[in-house]
Amino acid sequence: DQQVKQNSPSLSVQEGRISILNCDYTNSMFDYFLWYKKYPAEGPTFLISISSIKDKNEDGRFTVFLNKSAKHLSLHIVPSQPGDSAVYFCAASGPTNSGYALNFGKGTSLLVTP
Amino acid sequence: SQTIHQWPATLVQPVGSPLSLECTVEGTSNPNLYWYRQAAGRGLQLLFYSVGIGQISSEVPQNLSASRPQDRQFILSSKKLLLSDSGFYLCAWSVTGGSGYTFGSGTRLTVV
Repeated sequence: DQQVKQNSPSLSVQEGRISILNCDYTNSMFDYFLWYKKYPAEGPTFLISISSIKDKNEDGRFTVFLNKSAKHLSLHIVPSQPGDSAVYFCAASGPTNSGYALNFGKGTSLLVTP
Repeated sequence: SQTIHQWPATLVQPVGSPLSLECTVEGTSNPNLYWYRQAAGRGLQLLFYSVGIGQISSEVPQNLSASRPQDRQFILSSKKLLLSDSGFYLCAWSVTGGSGYTFGSGTRLTVV
């Protein structure tokens, strides 16, 4: 049962433009959301997070937006750079039956072209 | 500072052989520990988590088991590997409460 969904398996964006990666979740117990970036054969690296008490968190070129009523979050990367090309995983955590284990989406592969 | 070590980095094992992947954390005590697997087209799937020594919770019925013999050691095992066990295995730790996850570098397992 996929509780975190990333419905776009891939996204291609030109360098300098905005990349928007979307994520939906179903479990209303989730109260902490994270984005991870992953290169092949490496562990995911933390990118940015947001608590359910906020609706926006910004860190440099990366901004995460949370819409609790829609159970939707998105990651905006502006401006996109070729080095941003990677797989991006959305993850959610909360006081669920799995403790605070992260629940991941299937990932979106972002390609930023020069 | 806290670090997490996971080994081996790559492993090729025949079907039916046993498996042991080890993960250790340094610089913290009583961490929450996790094993995840990334299989092709399936994203990152939680396999096991542990909130203390000897306390293991399994999320997905499967051919694998986990053990936590020491506070900062987490081991993923199998008695007989299946082809479907191939994938990228990640160990992670967090402080109690869930935020601040740190992942190991992963193990690429290929069962042949």
